[in-house]
Amino acid sequence: GESVGLHLPTLSVQEGDNSIINCAYSNSASDYFIWYKQESGKGPQFIIDIRSNMDKRQGQRVTVLLNKTVKHLSLQIAATQPGDSAVYFCAENPLKNTGFQKLVFGTGTRLLVSP
Amino acid sequence: DTGVSQDPRHKITKRGQNVTFRCDPISEHNRLYWYRQTLGQGPEFLTYFQNEAQLEKSRLLSDRFSAERPKGSFSTLEIQRTEQGDSAMYLCASSLKSGDLTGNTEAFFGQGTRLTVV
Repeated sequence: GESVGLHLPTLSVQEGDNSIINCAYSNSASDYFIWYKQESGKGPQFIIDIRSNMDKRQGQRVTVLLNKTVKHLSLQIAATQPGDSAVYFCAENPLKNTGFQKLVFGTGTRLLVSP
Repeated sequence: DTGVSQDPRHKITKRGQNVTFRCDPISEHNRLYWYRQTLGQGPEFLTYFQNEAQLEKSRLLSDRFSAERPKGSFSTLEIQRTEQGDSAMYLCASSLKSGDLTGNTEAFFGQGTRLTVV
């Protein structure tokens, strides 16, 4: 299939390791953040979201951390599996309290998981 | 399949031709978005509908682009007089207005329509 993101930053990990993917966002007014996973030839798949009144949120094997002071978002994946290999995008919604998601996506990071 | 559905998945067209893409959102979702993604980049916002009303359009959406959502359900995106620079993945997403103050719920994306203009 076609490749998503030929020249993206790449994180290579071994199966079973924990992965941390980082993202710097641009707008201090953003109040809602989402992490998406995108496999080659497919649309972005929702992983986890967090609102600006929180600094941490956990899902199944994933944790998102939000540091509003330095406008930084991270995605932690526990016990990374080969099926986690994909491009990961953070997205921010700079329109506060509107519900309208004019998402601004980051550059993306390619995660490669070796067995 | 109860997710966002897009048709066609792939479209190859000659420069100058018109193309139309269709998006069927998740059935109870009243918000629908179109994004465009070029290779190596994240998706870029194009336009947004709440029910049948088109409430926001990006400057990326030139006058050759038109989107409709006539009954507040499916949406179409038409590109007239296609140019090679229109080659991209066109993504549709939908979300549901939540009952809380922020009104934010996650947006779910379809698989996209890959357009190639030759």
